[in-house]
Amino acid sequence: EAQVTQNPRYLITVTGKKLTVTCSQNMNHEYMSWYRQDPGLGLRQIYYSMNVEVTDKGDVPEGYKVSRKEKRNFPLILESPSPNQTSLYFCASSRPRDRNSPLHFGNGTRLTVT
Amino acid sequence: AQKVTQAQTEISVVEKEDVTLDCVYETRDTTYYLFWYKQPPSGELVFLIRRNSFDEQNEISGRYSWNFQKSTSSFNFTITASQVVDSAVYFCALSEDFGNEKLTFGTGTRLTIIP
Repeated sequence: EAQVTQNPRYLITVTGKKLTVTCSQNMNHEYMSWYRQDPGLGLRQIYYSMNVEVTDKGDVPEGYKVSRKEKRNFPLILESPSPNQTSLYFCASSRPRDRNSPLHFGNGTRLTVT
Repeated sequence: AQKVTQAQTEISVVEKEDVTLDCVYETRDTTYYLFWYKQPPSGELVFLIRRNSFDEQNEISGRYSWNFQKSTSSFNFTITASQVVDSAVYFCALSEDFGNEKLTFGTGTRLTIIP
């Protein structure tokens, strides 16, 4: 089954403790991206990657890092999480410029930073 | 800059009623894509439709229909004969044609279908 898999689904952590949210897709998509969802703000893009070893900032990249060493994986790294990073995070992938390939989202990771 | 406005924050209707969710967008691009996603209480994002800016034909899929009007920069979504399972948050989104496949999302409309 074609899917984007995020782990973990739920995560509670404390301020300053480094964490990684993993994202993996099995559709051989070149493009991957991370979004965060906050009440009243919709979803906002954090980082994106057009292909392996190619990453760039989205609208709200502060406090986050990403890497794209393999095509299927695109982990989101919070080096020193803070309470304002408490949010619902979504990973997404697609095949760029493919009119039949909408953005596929993972099931989300709900992060709480205390 | 791109912008998507979903002015209806919350809507409640009684089951079997029709309901329309509004979406108004702003973009300077001549080529762009419009989307609707559904987010049920379980939290995942479910893709509903993708429409490119050159295709103004309205689309119908079962009880769902979409009205795309470039003249008013709107891409409204109608659910006919609503059901309890339609209760969800619905997001309208916009993306440019090339480059970053970033979706610019509206703030969502929470739809509650009352049994």
